[in-house]
Amino acid sequence: SSDLTQPPSVSVSTGQTARITCSGNTVRKQYVFWYQQRPGQAPILIMSKDNERPSGIPERFSGSSSGATVTLTISAVQAEDEADYYCQSAADSGFPWLFGGGTKLTVL
Amino acid sequence: QEQLVQSGAEVKKPGSSVKVSCKASGGTFGSYAVSWVRQAPGQGLEWVGVMSPMFGTVYYAQDLQGRVTLSADESAGTAYMDLSSLTSEDTAMYYCARVSGLLNGDYSLDVWGKGTTVKVSS
Repeated sequence: SSDLTQPPSVSVSTGQTARITCSGNTVRKQYVFWYQQRPGQAPILIMSKDNERPSGIPERFSGSSSGATVTLTISAVQAEDEADYYCQSAADSGFPWLFGGGTKLTVL
Repeated sequence: QEQLVQSGAEVKKPGSSVKVSCKASGGTFGSYAVSWVRQAPGQGLEWVGVMSPMFGTVYYAQDLQGRVTLSADESAGTAYMDLSSLTSEDTAMYYCARVSGLLNGDYSLDVWGKGTTVKVSS
C-alpha cells in the first residue's frame, strides 16, 4: 500500500472543475509533485513543489496545500484532460520517494 | 529540449538479470540526477531509485534493495539500471527520468524517457 492516498477515480463533465487530492503525513514536510499520464505514454510533470506550474502547462491546472492534503485542481476541464494523475513526494527524511496510487480522471 | 533515449524491450527468464540504459540527448546529464520508475501492466507508478552521476549519490526503494543497481557513464551521458534475480513480478515498463533538483528538495521528474518494456517469462 502507498503512503500517499489518492481517490481511485474522479468524474466531471466538460467545463467543470476537477479536484484530485493526495493525502499523507509526509506532505506536511515534503513537496508534492503531480504527473499526468495518458494511455500508452510516459508521465509528464504538470505541477511542481505543491503549486508551481512548469512551463507549457495550461493555467487551468493549479495546486494547493492544506495540512496533510495537497490538491490538484483542473478548471474548465477539457476532454484532453482525461488521463491518470499521480502525486509524488518523499519520506520525511527525503528518501525513499513515494507515489500515490493514481487517480483516473474521466471527462463525461 | 533535452530527451532521454532508453534501450529496447527485453524478454528475460526468471532468475536472470536485465540492464536498461538511458542516454541523454545532449550528451551529458550535467548536475542533474536520474531517477528510475517502473509500472507493472495496468498498475500505478513505483519508484525504483535515483542516482546523481556527478556526485555518485544513490538511493534505492527498500523493496528492491539488494537486487537493483543504478550506475552511470558520465562520459557517455548514459545511466543504467541493473535488476537481478528477476521474477514475473518484475514484468513492467521501466522509465528513466531527469530530476530537477536532488540537492534542494525539488524531486520533480521533469524529463522522462519513453520507457523500456521488461517481460519476465519462462
